[in-house]
Amino acid sequence: EAQVTQNPRYLITVTGKKLTVTCSQNMNHEYMSWYRQDPGLGLRQIYYSMNVEVTDKGDVPEGYKVSRKEKRNFPLILESPSPNQTSLYFCASYLRASGTDTQYFGPGTRLTVL
Amino acid sequence: QKEVEQNSGPLSVPEGAIASLNCTYSDRGSQSFFWYRQYSGKSPELIMSIYSNGDKEDGRFTAQLNKASQYVSLLIRDSQPSDSATYLCAVNKLGSSNTGKLIFGQGTTLQVKP
Repeated sequence: EAQVTQNPRYLITVTGKKLTVTCSQNMNHEYMSWYRQDPGLGLRQIYYSMNVEVTDKGDVPEGYKVSRKEKRNFPLILESPSPNQTSLYFCASYLRASGTDTQYFGPGTRLTVL
Repeated sequence: QKEVEQNSGPLSVPEGAIASLNCTYSDRGSQSFFWYRQYSGKSPELIMSIYSNGDKEDGRFTAQLNKASQYVSLLIRDSQPSDSATYLCAVNKLGSSNTGKLIFGQGTTLQVKP
């Protein structure tokens, strides 16, 4: 079954405590991306990766890091989380082939930073 | 001016009617346009993509693109209560056919009443 998995699904942490949210896809998609979703602000792209070792900033990259050492994994790192990073986070993968677009989102990670 | 704008709604239509969802964007160089559906508490799912001016149909869904007017719309024919969701418009800011930096609108909430 094609899927994008994220862990953890829920996390409550404190300001300044480094954390990593993992994302993994089993479809061999080259493109992966991270988004955050906040009430009234919609879905905003944090970082994206067009392939292994290729990453680029989205609209709201401040305070986040990513890495893409292998195609299937795209972890999101918060080195020093702050309360304004409390949000719902989605990872997604994407493929365009033969004129057809395929995109899968993970189930989301709800992060609370106290 | 927001880069991608949608009327937040709610847009309420009776069952069986045509629902028309609209989106405008500011970057004239944009080339790729996407519509997503998000049920409450769930992840977004890609339902349509469009790259060329005109209409693109997929089942009950039709995406319409007018680059001169910087306008993209989604029509849902024979609306069903199960179509009740938030519909997100997204635009590829890079202007290439490969999805890179995606900008989302805030979404339009659609309510289909039986």
